[in-house]
Amino acid sequence: DVKVTQSSRYLVKRTGEKVFLECVQDMDHENMFWYRQDPGLGLRLIYFSYDVKMKEKGDIPEGYSVSREKKERFSLILESASTNQTSMYLCASSRTGWGSTDTQYFGPGTRLTVL
Amino acid sequence: GDSVTQMEGPVTLSEEAFLTINCTYTATGYPSLFWYVQYPGEGLQLLLKATKADDKGSNKGFEATYRKETTSFHLEKGSVQVSDSAVYFCALGRGSTLGRLYFGRGTQLTVWP
Repeated sequence: DVKVTQSSRYLVKRTGEKVFLECVQDMDHENMFWYRQDPGLGLRLIYFSYDVKMKEKGDIPEGYSVSREKKERFSLILESASTNQTSMYLCASSRTGWGSTDTQYFGPGTRLTVL
Repeated sequence: GDSVTQMEGPVTLSEEAFLTINCTYTATGYPSLFWYVQYPGEGLQLLLKATKADDKGSNKGFEATYRKETTSFHLEKGSVQVSDSAVYFCALGRGSTLGRLYFGRGTQLTVWP
């Protein structure tokens, strides 16, 4: 089975802090994704990556950056956390190439609270 | 652009009732369609998928049929259980190398005993 792990289930940070959320997948997937999930808004794509060192902005990239130095690891960075970034953050990965159906596999999520 | 619209919740049912959650999509060509489920406190899990028109995806008693003529992928289950209480997301994929999925906003289902 595909396993996607996230570094923390719960995280509490203070306004202005730099925050790192880590995601690791063990299935050699090319694609990795970061979403945030808020009540009434569903999942919103922040950033995604289709290869090492490659990244694409999603729908709400402002206030976030990402890093993908190794294929299995995709990090989300909040340069200066703000209270409106309090949310559930979900990481996902998927395979690419011929025959791929874009099925994404999700981690358990990190619930981030910014005080 | 590509998008998914699913019925808004919350949906509240009694155990053994019939479930339908509507999902329609907007996309050119032949996207893949998915239903994901999120149980309380967890990430999303793939429930079922269909990759071409008239395909039926099924899993755990849930079914959905890819209807290109009505651009729909409605989720159904004949007899829900309390353990089916969760949030259900419909999603669309274009099969591109970037692998992006487009999600609906989710439908909260609560099943009472």
